[in-house]
Amino acid sequence: TQLLEQSPQFLSIQEGENLTVYCNSSSVFSSLQWYRQEPGEGPVLLVTVVTGGEVKKLKRLTFQFGDARKDSSLHITAAQPGDTGLYLCAGGGGNKLVFGAGTILRVKS
Amino acid sequence: DTAVSQTPKYLVTQMGNDKSIKCEQNLGHDTMYWYKQDSKKFLKIMFSYNNKELIINETVPNRFSPKSPDKAHLNLHINSLELGDSAVYFCASSQGTPGGTGELFFGEGSRLTVL
Repeated sequence: TQLLEQSPQFLSIQEGENLTVYCNSSSVFSSLQWYRQEPGEGPVLLVTVVTGGEVKKLKRLTFQFGDARKDSSLHITAAQPGDTGLYLCAGGGGNKLVFGAGTILRVKS
Repeated sequence: DTAVSQTPKYLVTQMGNDKSIKCEQNLGHDTMYWYKQDSKKFLKIMFSYNNKELIINETVPNRFSPKSPDKAHLNLHINSLELGDSAVYFCASSQGTPGGTGELFFGEGSRLTVL
């Protein structure tokens, strides 16, 4: 069974701080996605990475896929209250997408 | 127009009852899913259908029965509800086969509370 572990589980920071969320597995994934979920809504895709070592940037968010395609990180620069939410990584391969347990991020103003 | 819509948004019911959740997507996608999100926010796949055919059936009690009348609809019927069934159930759709790089589009979720 493929498992994805996310850390930290919960993060509370002040506006303007930087943070990194990690997603790790002992399995290799053909692709990895990051989603953000806000209260009362479904997850929304932020990015998909498919190549080992790939780095993608989305404004203040930087996503990296590990060289061995077993891990990924999400770095947020100068966090804002609007970044508050649940961040989920999801690994693709086989016939399904496997989700990590998520990181709850709270950015205080 | 909402891309993936599911109803009802909230369900409160007694143990032992039967309930259904409906889902419709207007994105023209081939694949639809049901996910369960527990109180710890863990999102776990339950079922996946591709062009009305069941592709994924995780270790879900047979009290849960999905039905896909056409590729735009995937409903979930739950018999003999138990306390442990309380969760948020998400419908999702994607283009292509499950597990690929296609984006999952989620509905807003249906919060089921079993008393």
